[in-house]
Amino acid sequence: GENVEQHPSTLSVQEGDSAVIKCTYSDSASNYFPWYKQELGKGPQLIIDIRSNVGEKKDQRIAVTLNKTAKHFSLHITETQPEDSAVYFCAASKGSGYSTLTFGKGTMLLVSP
Amino acid sequence: ETGVTQTPRHLVMGMTNKKSLKCEQHLGHNAMYWYKQSAKKPLELMFVYSLEERVENNSVPSRFSPECPNSSHLFLHLHTLQPEDSALYLCASSRDSSYNSPLHFGNGTRLTVT
Repeated sequence: GENVEQHPSTLSVQEGDSAVIKCTYSDSASNYFPWYKQELGKGPQLIIDIRSNVGEKKDQRIAVTLNKTAKHFSLHITETQPEDSAVYFCAASKGSGYSTLTFGKGTMLLVSP
Repeated sequence: ETGVTQTPRHLVMGMTNKKSLKCEQHLGHNAMYWYKQSAKKPLELMFVYSLEERVENNSVPSRFSPECPNSSHLFLHLHTLQPEDSALYLCASSRDSSYNSPLHFGNGTRLTVT
């Protein structure tokens, strides 16, 4: 089955810096890659996703890049703010009858003022 | 407000107890899920329901029993649990059960088995 590795497990940055979280996946058939943000005491929330026919996608301060050949994708957050502090999860899935997302273990991002 | 409400938020139960977790979604979605979230581990998919029919039972022990009476409600019935079942149980819904349909999660039930 699919295996998703996520790095780093923790990331500390100063407010205004950029943050990058990287994930690799094992199944070359995977073609959908969402990122979820989980704040303390809450469930994960989708922040951005990318499909395998696209190499990059941006939404204001966040962007995701995908390298299908290398089987890795990354989340980029620019101009970080304290409210960006949370746990971020990457995931991967492939076309099938129903959603079978495989998640990474998560990255705890801490943005210091 | 996520549109997915889980109750209770916290639950402590003994290994011989029987309890149920409840999930309700107000998004008009057709698919609902149960996930288990343990520390230092990826989210684990437990069950998937599409149009009230179970389409995935991801090798979950029989001490966990799901129920989906309609497209808005999902239950997880618990009995004879083990301490290692202590975790955050997350309910999610999506427009449909297709692989790229975004998941909307509730805030979870923190379960402690003593």
